[in-house]
Amino acid sequence: NAGVTQTPKFQVLKTGQSMTLQCAQDMNHNSMYWYRQDPGMGLRLIYYSASEGTTDKGEVPNGYNVSRLNKREFSLRLESAAPSQTSVYFCASRGQGAYNEQFFGPGTRLTVL
Amino acid sequence: AQSVTQLGSHVSVSEGALVLLRCNYSSSVPPYLFWYVQYPNQGLQLLLKYTSAATLVKGINGFEAEFKKSETSFHLTKPSAHMSDAAEYFCAVSDDSGYSTLTFGKGTMLLVSP
Repeated sequence: NAGVTQTPKFQVLKTGQSMTLQCAQDMNHNSMYWYRQDPGMGLRLIYYSASEGTTDKGEVPNGYNVSRLNKREFSLRLESAAPSQTSVYFCASRGQGAYNEQFFGPGTRLTVL
Repeated sequence: AQSVTQLGSHVSVSEGALVLLRCNYSSSVPPYLFWYVQYPNQGLQLLLKYTSAATLVKGINGFEAEFKKSETSFHLTKPSAHMSDAAEYFCAVSDDSGYSTLTFGKGTMLLVSP
C-alpha cells in the first residue's frame, strides 16, 4: 500500500517549456487535489477532483490544467511554465465524507528558470 | 465560507517546555478540524482530527488538541517538547456544506532549542 505517489520528485524547466506532474493513489479515494506550497503562503489549492470525471478550480488555477485520468490518477499540466510557478507541488487524496482527512504525497520540487 | 487563522508564523520553545500552537477557525456549520505536521522536505502527515466525538483529541507523538466552540479554537499542545518536534504545523477545517476541500491555515514553524 504505497498511499499517494508523485513523479517526478524534482524538475527544472526553462520558461515556456511544458510538463506534466503525475499523481496516483491506491486507497480507492474519490477526491484528489493539487496544491502548491510557497514560503509564507501556506498551501494553496490549484485544482481538485471531487470524484472521477469531475474537476474544479481552486484558489490559484491560472497557468495550470488537470486531468482525472481514472479513479487512481490525477495529473497537473503546466502548458507554458513561468518563473512564478517555481514551487513545491503536493498531490493529496481523500475518502468520502467531510470528517475524513487528506493524505498527501511526498511532493515535486519544481524550478522554472 | 470557512477560514483558519494560525497565530504566529514561528514559535520557539526549549526542549522540555510546553508547546502551544494556536488555531482559530470560522465556519458557518459545525466543523471538522485537523492538525497536520510537515517535516523538512516531506509531505504533510496527519497529527490528529476532531470529528465531534470528543472535544479533547489525542494524536500521535504526544500531541493533543481541544475543540472549544465558544472560542472557535482548536489549539495544539504537547506537555514537553522534543528536538524531533521541530517542523511546520498546519491547522485545517472542513464542514458538511457539500464542498470536498479543506481550508488550511498558513502554518506555524516550531523551533526547538536544546
